[in-house]
Amino acid sequence: DAKTTQPTSMDCAEGRAANLPCNHSTISGNEYVYWYRQIHSQGPQYIIHGLKNNETNEMASLIITEDRKSSTLILPHATLRDTAVYYCIAYNTNAGKSTFGDGTTLTVKP
Amino acid sequence: SAVISQKPSRDICQRGTSLTIQCQVDSQVTMMFWYRQQPGQSLTLIATANQGSEATYESGFVIDKFPISRPNLTFSTLTVSNMSPEDSSIYLCSVSGQGYEQYFGPGTRLTVT
Repeated sequence: DAKTTQPTSMDCAEGRAANLPCNHSTISGNEYVYWYRQIHSQGPQYIIHGLKNNETNEMASLIITEDRKSSTLILPHATLRDTAVYYCIAYNTNAGKSTFGDGTTLTVKP
Repeated sequence: SAVISQKPSRDICQRGTSLTIQCQVDSQVTMMFWYRQQPGQSLTLIATANQGSEATYESGFVIDKFPISRPNLTFSTLTVSNMSPEDSSIYLCSVSGQGYEQYFGPGTRLTVT
């Protein structure tokens, strides 16, 4: 898996959009970008993934740059329950396993 | 998505003993994974367990310390053997979905005294 770089921590006001960046400058053509989050004392939760097109689901949107060297996870209307550690992973489906980095601790404040 | 349960949810064990953690999935899956999460840290992959074959261990993890069983497509166990305080961690199992996304169990919080 390509190495990913994320800011250590971020704050966001409740009700505002949370934009979490991820750098994956060495990503290869067959590696997908996956996002997970881990709320305190729980197992990680899958959020979204994409290859090169922007993706949206009921939880979030994923914006991947045209050169695929970076991406942004967008939580459109952050709530206090979105406070968690967010992990960005560049995943090679042929490798069959995921390598988790240190992630970004997002704190949503009232 | 898959629903995963783990037993026990937490345990306190004495040094030198062993603990077996169970992972049950609500559907048949090919690949299951075991992770360790030490206090305040990210997840580290211990091994990948496929049904019908030996588990594949990551660098730094050995079968004698972390034996894994995978008797069928819905169940796996991880044993933490001859425990020391350094083994105090959260142990998580996960499975792959159709899009290679992973679904995680709630974890087993282990404290070794």
